Amino acid sequence: DADVTQTPRNRITKTGKRIMLECSQTKGHDRMYWYRQDPGLGLRLIYYSFDVKDINKGEISDGYSVSRQAQAKFSLSLESAIPNQTALYFCATSDSSGLTGELFFGEGSRLTVL
Amino acid sequence: KNQVEQSPQSLIILEGKNCTLQCNYTVSPFSNLRWYKQDTGRGPVSLTIMTFSENTKSNGRYTATLDADTKQSSLHITASQLSDSASYICVVKGSGGYQKVTFGTGTKLQVIP
Repeated sequence: DADVTQTPRNRITKTGKRIMLECSQTKGHDRMYWYRQDPGLGLRLIYYSFDVKDINKGEISDGYSVSRQAQAKFSLSLESAIPNQTALYFCATSDSSGLTGELFFGEGSRLTVL
Repeated sequence: KNQVEQSPQSLIILEGKNCTLQCNYTVSPFSNLRWYKQDTGRGPVSLTIMTFSENTKSNGRYTATLDADTKQSSLHITASQLSDSASYICVVKGSGGYQKVTFGTGTKLQVIP
């Protein structure tokens, strides 16, 4: 089983619908992140959480919200999806005890908003 | 603004040949630089990390170099294999907190028989 698991892997939805992407990890890391990847652009940070009670906005948080239900679970919500939120979304984790900040990514969730 | 630029955007090479990917960055102050490999439909996986004091580091057929003075890094792939076909992403971490991680847009490498 993957260390960082994302569900769903693929989702097609319509404008205005609420969508939740879920992430769970078995690495025991305290830090979790949500990124968005678009063609021709680098990965961009949406939200990050350094522990269950710590949630922070990233560079592109507008239109998104998150919930850290447990150390191992971090979900991303789109309250009212719009077409320009069509993208590949990645959850990632890292260990706060390491100084180098290696990120461990999930397999990605491809979201299409019609 | 911190930036990471990679070149070329895409590259096609014959199996068995070598290639070099480039990464230029403006992130300052600098903490470290990682190269990630992203297979199609998968998440990125770290290949190597370079810190300020390191010039060269190898991981099998992958060799990364860093020139912190000119803010340039390269990833050299030797004797390419079909499984090397992927996107290679340069990621630079600055000092002063997680917010200082900047991703390049990647180089898409295709190795053909």
